[in-house]
Amino acid sequence: DTAVSQTPKYLVTQMGNDKSIKCEQNLGHDTMYWYKQDSKKFLKIMFSYNNKELIINETVPNRFSPKSPDKAHLNLHINSLELGDSAVYFCASSQVFGEGGNTGELFFGEGSRLTVL
Amino acid sequence: GDSVTQMEGPVTLSEEAFLTINCTYTATGYPSLFWYVQYPGEGLQLLLKATKADDKGSNKGFEATYRKETTSFHLEKGSVQVSDSAVYFCALSDSFGNEKLTFGTGTRLTIIP
Repeated sequence: DTAVSQTPKYLVTQMGNDKSIKCEQNLGHDTMYWYKQDSKKFLKIMFSYNNKELIINETVPNRFSPKSPDKAHLNLHINSLELGDSAVYFCASSQVFGEGGNTGELFFGEGSRLTVL
Repeated sequence: GDSVTQMEGPVTLSEEAFLTINCTYTATGYPSLFWYVQYPGEGLQLLLKATKADDKGSNKGFEATYRKETTSFHLEKGSVQVSDSAVYFCALSDSFGNEKLTFGTGTRLTIIP
């Protein structure tokens, strides 16, 4: 059973298109994240949701819109894709609040490699 | 803001060599410190962590000690194996409970037989 699963794993698209990446976690965690990893492997947080509520929103263009229909899902929609959006996007989850929470450990999905041509 | 600085890679070692990957940090408050590892084609996974000064995290033969006086959390292993080849990330979590991890740039480690 995959703990944090992302789809699609690979996505190749043209500039200007709109695309979505989906993420689901079956760990029962209350917090989910999107991270972007660039070609040099640098990882930067984009968003964080706790129980469907946005709690971290780093400086990310408005073209990126996260959506959390429930605490087990966090999707990322990207409008008007640009060349610079090419990267690997990682979803992660953790238990922050409540009993056993706040250990600092994030559980990552395998990543979704987005290539914009 | 918070930041993590790691030694630049890539690092190439022979099997059974001693490994050190340096990591220093800048943070307000009392962060928790982590090492994550990313094997080829996979997501990151937690390798070890330390939550307060002088704590030592250890796992799979790797160790790192939280040194507040030098703001460091260097990763060490006494005898590396080919299977340790991966990218290693040092990270810190701020002390405000929102689990926002700040990562270093990653160090690619290659072990040759």
